[in-house]
This record gives sequence, C-alpha cells and structure tokens, in this order.
Amino acid sequence: GQNIDQPTEMTATEGAIVQINCTYQTSGFNGLFWYQQHAGEAPTFLSYNVLDGLEEKGRFSSFLSRSKGYSYLLLKELQMKDSASYLCAVRDHQAGTALIFGKGTTLSVSS
Amino acid sequence: EAGVAQSPRYKIIEKRQSVAFWCNPISGHATLYWYQQILGQGPKLLIQFQNNGVVDDSQLPKDRFSAERLKGVDSTLKIQPAKLEDSAVYLCASSRGVGETQYFGPGTRLLVL
Repeated sequence: GQNIDQPTEMTATEGAIVQINCTYQTSGFNGLFWYQQHAGEAPTFLSYNVLDGLEEKGRFSSFLSRSKGYSYLLLKELQMKDSASYLCAVRDHQAGTALIFGKGTTLSVSS
Repeated sequence: EAGVAQSPRYKIIEKRQSVAFWCNPISGHATLYWYQQILGQGPKLLIQFQNNGVVDDSQLPKDRFSAERLKGVDSTLKIQPAKLEDSAVYLCASSRGVGETQYFGPGTRLLVL
C-alpha cells in the first residue's frame, strides 16, 4: 500500500523561510509532486522530483531523497499570499499514473 | 492556453437525489482524472480516462457513481443516488499524456443535505 505523511499545520512570518516535510511509503515510486491549494480553489502545480536532489524554481525549491522516502518543499522570502495548503503527492507504478495525495499542510503566514 | 473548466461550481442537493458534474480538459490533453476531496483531506482518485477509455476506476463506488468520456474530450461524473458522505469537492484534472503533470480545474463543491 501507500502512505504519505506531512505536518497538518505550520506558521511563519513574512520574509522568513519555511520547510514543509513529506515522508512517503510506496511499492513502486515514480515521482513526487508538490501542489499549492488556496482555500476554496483548485490545486496548482508547484514542482516535480523524480531523481534525488534539489529542484529550484524562484522562491520555491523541492528536494527528494528516494532512499529515505523523504521530500521537502522550501519556501523563501515568505509573503502573505503564500498562506495556503501544500499538498505532497506521489505517483506509484502499482497504482497507475494517478497521484496519491497526502492530507496537506496548512501554512499560515503572518506579518 | 485555457485551463480545465468545470461546472457547476456549487451544487446543493438532498440525499437520494442525483447530480451530474461536467469537465472540459485543457485542449490536447488525452488523460483526464476525477478526484474527490473531502474537507481537510487530500484529493482521492475516483476514475482515470485515457482518451475515451477507462484506465483506472478501482476506487469509484460503482453502485452510485458513474463517469463517461464518450468522445475523448469532455467528461461527466454522475452520482445517483447521493448520500450525505458524498459532500465534497469534485476536482477534474487533465494531463497531456499518461504520467505527465496534471492540471486541475476549479472543482465543483457538492453539499448533500
């Protein structure tokens, strides 16, 4: 089976850096995705990792360690608009090509 | 390019009634997914289409849920009869091909009373 764990809630202040962790257990790992979801809106794609290492995209970076079943999303220079839920999702060979999502981490950014 | 379109955006029905949702994927995207997202949870796959064929419907409650994508473009998801526990957001997503990045529509928020 598959299992994805991420913290339920996190808080941070404007301008700070925050790291959202995600651990996963899958039988046939085939890529990890991070999505951002503002309240009442659809998830929007942030990043994709399939090989070990860091992927950087502007203020957002995502890291993957396949041997540890671990990923993190790093948000720099936090802004109020970054307040949202961050969803970690895994693609598993044995589950087809659909994504298996964690429950999401709600990030609250305060001034 | 235009994103994934869904309608209606909101729907309130009573239990045992039926309801249908519509999705128009991004132009040229062959793969279409329907997810159910219950409040406080991540999206859960209901069904996946590749063109007009079903790839995976293992988590679709087939006694009450049905979906089709007859011409390989638009798709409809139906619930008949609805139960209270079906209250959720129904998200449609599409990707260019199998295994590629999925892009989500705005969702349909269903409340079953």
